[in-house]
This record gives sequence, structure tokens and C-alpha cells, in this order.
Amino acid sequence: LAKTTQPISMDSYEGQEVNITCSHNNIATNDYITWYQQFPSQGPRFIIQGYKTKVTNEVASLFIPADRKSSTLSLPRVSLSDTAVYYCLVGPNNDMRFGAGTRLTVKP
Amino acid sequence: DAGVIQSPRHEVTEMGQEVTLRCKPISGHNSLFWYRQTMMRGLELLIYFNNNVPIDDSGMPEDRFSAKMPNASFSTLKIQPSEPRDSAVYFCASTKEVFDTLSEAFFGQGTRLTVV
Repeated sequence: LAKTTQPISMDSYEGQEVNITCSHNNIATNDYITWYQQFPSQGPRFIIQGYKTKVTNEVASLFIPADRKSSTLSLPRVSLSDTAVYYCLVGPNNDMRFGAGTRLTVKP
Repeated sequence: DAGVIQSPRHEVTEMGQEVTLRCKPISGHNSLFWYRQTMMRGLELLIYFNNNVPIDDSGMPEDRFSAKMPNASFSTLKIQPSEPRDSAVYFCASTKEVFDTLSEAFFGQGTRLTVV
């Protein structure tokens, strides 16, 4: 049973806000939610992590509802360079298993 | 710090040959992960070390694959004998694992392996 479910792909246009939702119905009490970004020919790069409510950094925001069964990565005003695969991971620190991710394509 | 360093960046070898991939984690990090990425299977976790000890190797595909971490600053992933289906990009990542918190993982640039 997959730990997380994300849309396979999304399209957006430059300047728009993009929201990518991840479902994790079986999240455990000690699980954190972490998002990574991967560009072609590069390793994944950490974007943001959280446990509950809202987390914001210079790159993105992460919204987590009270039941923690889903989370939404929000990218404000995307540019062409945000075209990448975005992965949602759920688990304790040592559970670094990646799903299929969401391939985001930003168009001019 | 220079980040996680992997070598070689590219490797082309013939079927049946032994291949050794190398990884130097970030200094002070105590957890190391090896991954394999292909178009068909995505990013697969092969093995996870904590404090130089293999903790979970359930992702290692078969006995042809082996990984070692002789010290905190070096790890190897070995394939012997190699097969064409082993062609993939292999990533190494390291984290500073602290009890009850989540640390971000830093990935190397990867090794693109082609077995012909």
C-alpha cells in the first residue's frame, strides 16, 4: 500500500501560484511530511518539511490540515525554472522512500 | 562543505564486469542512503546506513549488489557481475539524523552507469 499519493503531472503558466496536494491517509503520529524537488540530471533537493499547520520558507509554503491525512505544497508565482518533479515523503527521519512524484511543467 | 561527492560521474562498462561506485557524505552527517533511478522504476532506495552500519538493505535488488561503509566519510556500492538492466543513475545522499527530528537529505550529483 502506497504511503503517499500525488498527481502524476500538472501544468501551469509563469506567474501563477501552483498547489500540489499529497494524500497520506495512513500517516503515523511520529511521521513528518517532507517535499523534495528534482531537476533533470540532478539529485533531489529539499524544499520544505512540516508536522502540522503551516510552514513557510523563502521557496514555498506547506499546508497541513488538522487530521494530517494530506498536505499541500504551494509555490508562489512559478517561473519556467520551477519545471521539475516534486516528491512528497511521509515518515520518520530514516524512511527516505520516494514515490513517483508530480511532474510540474511551467509554460510561458 | 563541498556537499555529497560521488565518483565517477559517468561509467560505461561491459556486461559481466565489476563496477564500483563511490560516495563521500557531508562531514558530520551520520546517515547515508544509496538510490537507483530509472525511467521505468523511478527513484528506488537501495540501502540505508546509520553510523556506518547497514540498517535497511531490503531495496538491494539481488546478490550481485553489495554496499559498504568502512568509515564515516566513505561508502561504496558494488555490482558484480554487472548486467545491462543495471544501467541507471545511482545517487548517494546523506543526512544528520537526530532523534525525533527530521533532517533534510543532501544528494550527490549521481553516477550515470551504462552497461553494454
